[in-house]
Amino acid sequence: QITLEESGPTLVKPTQTLTLTCTFSGFSLSTPGVGVGWIRQPPGKALEWLALIYSDDDKLYSPSLNSRLTISKDTSKKQVVLTMTNMNPVDTGTYYCAHKPRATTKFDFWGQGTLVTVSS
Amino acid sequence: SCVLTQPPSLSVAPGQTAEITCDGNKIGTKSVHWYQQKAGQAPLLVVSDHGDRASGIPGRFSGSNFGNTATLTISRVEAGDEADYYCQVLDGTCDPSRVLFGGGTKLTVL
Repeated sequence: QITLEESGPTLVKPTQTLTLTCTFSGFSLSTPGVGVGWIRQPPGKALEWLALIYSDDDKLYSPSLNSRLTISKDTSKKQVVLTMTNMNPVDTGTYYCAHKPRATTKFDFWGQGTLVTVSS
Repeated sequence: SCVLTQPPSLSVAPGQTAEITCDGNKIGTKSVHWYQQKAGQAPLLVVSDHGDRASGIPGRFSGSNFGNTATLTISRVEAGDEADYYCQVLDGTCDPSRVLFGGGTKLTVL
């Protein structure tokens, strides 16, 4: 059974760096083709993809946020970490991590999400 | 362009058929995935790849994809189908490659 859980601060100040951790179970991030993605959702708005890391450490980033994002993995700890610099109130929203199986481009299991508020 | 476009809203009476579209350049050549998101919940994969239903999803949900339009079809709509629906692709033809989500369609069951 695959599960993912996001953790991190619920409140960050403008200009600070956000660090979120996705802790997962039920799969290995060393299996070829498997990946973990981060997706966010501002309150009342649409899903927005942020980043994706593959088992071979290849990474994809949203072009509009590329300069602010870093995704990394710790295979042994079963964790994926996302950092986002220079946080702004418009970055307020729910942040999800999700599992991408091998040989497909879908996200089949999602965490429950963590709400991050950016405010002074 | 690397954008997926969905109608913002759709209203359907119970028992009728809902067709939610997702427009994108040559989307018919890509694997399209559909997610259902109910209020306060995480997205749930309902249909993936070439119209395959995810585990536990009823047969009333189906997907098709041709040309520049992908469609999620929900037959015999029920009150419990009321939700936001999102399409998604991983587009390797964009430079750089990226994951795209549509803007979402709010399905209202009258």
